[in-house]
Amino acid sequence: DTGVSQNPRHKITKRGQNVTFRCDPISEHNRLYWYRQTLGQGPEFLTYFQNEAQLEKSRLLSDRFSAERPKGSFSTLEIQRTEQGDSAMYLCASSITSSEPEQYFGPGTRLTVT
Amino acid sequence: AQTVTQSQPEMSVQEAETVTLSCTYDTSENNYYLFWYKQPPSRQMILVIRQEAYKQQNATENRFSVNFQKAAKSFSLKISDSQLGDTAMYFCAFMKNTGNQFYFGTGTSLTVIP
Repeated sequence: DTGVSQNPRHKITKRGQNVTFRCDPISEHNRLYWYRQTLGQGPEFLTYFQNEAQLEKSRLLSDRFSAERPKGSFSTLEIQRTEQGDSAMYLCASSITSSEPEQYFGPGTRLTVT
Repeated sequence: AQTVTQSQPEMSVQEAETVTLSCTYDTSENNYYLFWYKQPPSRQMILVIRQEAYKQQNATENRFSVNFQKAAKSFSLKISDSQLGDTAMYFCAFMKNTGNQFYFGTGTSLTVIP
């Protein structure tokens, strides 16, 4: 069984650089979510896809952030012109249908902006 | 807006004993789901238990059970016969029945002492 996978697991970048993270959901799951988790906090919702359509975005997702899920399978989250405040764990989750609302989380990508 | 509050940042319990983690939430919704997720150190989040708001019966999964008080908007997690592997951060989460995102609390760090 392959769960949700995320790459890279860790990313260190300098302020102002662009970074891209990848998430591969569980294969039969058509829903995919991105969350951000900072130290001492619970995850905060960023955005949600159903298949390839991005259906919901949080106001936390500034215009420097963009997410895609081009073929309804894997997803990418790009952060342009990174800032120190972007340092966080970025979590991806997937779920199968609205009648089964459990979300299955990946291990996360820890971003450090220096 | 939905909010989830976990008022116990840290807790500890002796191995084989019972511990209860607290969670309260605020919502104007009538239909929703509540979850407890476990996040072991440096590992991904795992679903512990789920409760549908329309169900009066409290959910149980092996050593884990909840006390769901809808009127009081309270959703506590009881762990019986605590094991060392239960050491983790525990997050309470809320999801509207018609929604797609989780609202998480700030978490409770549980340590099981041998």
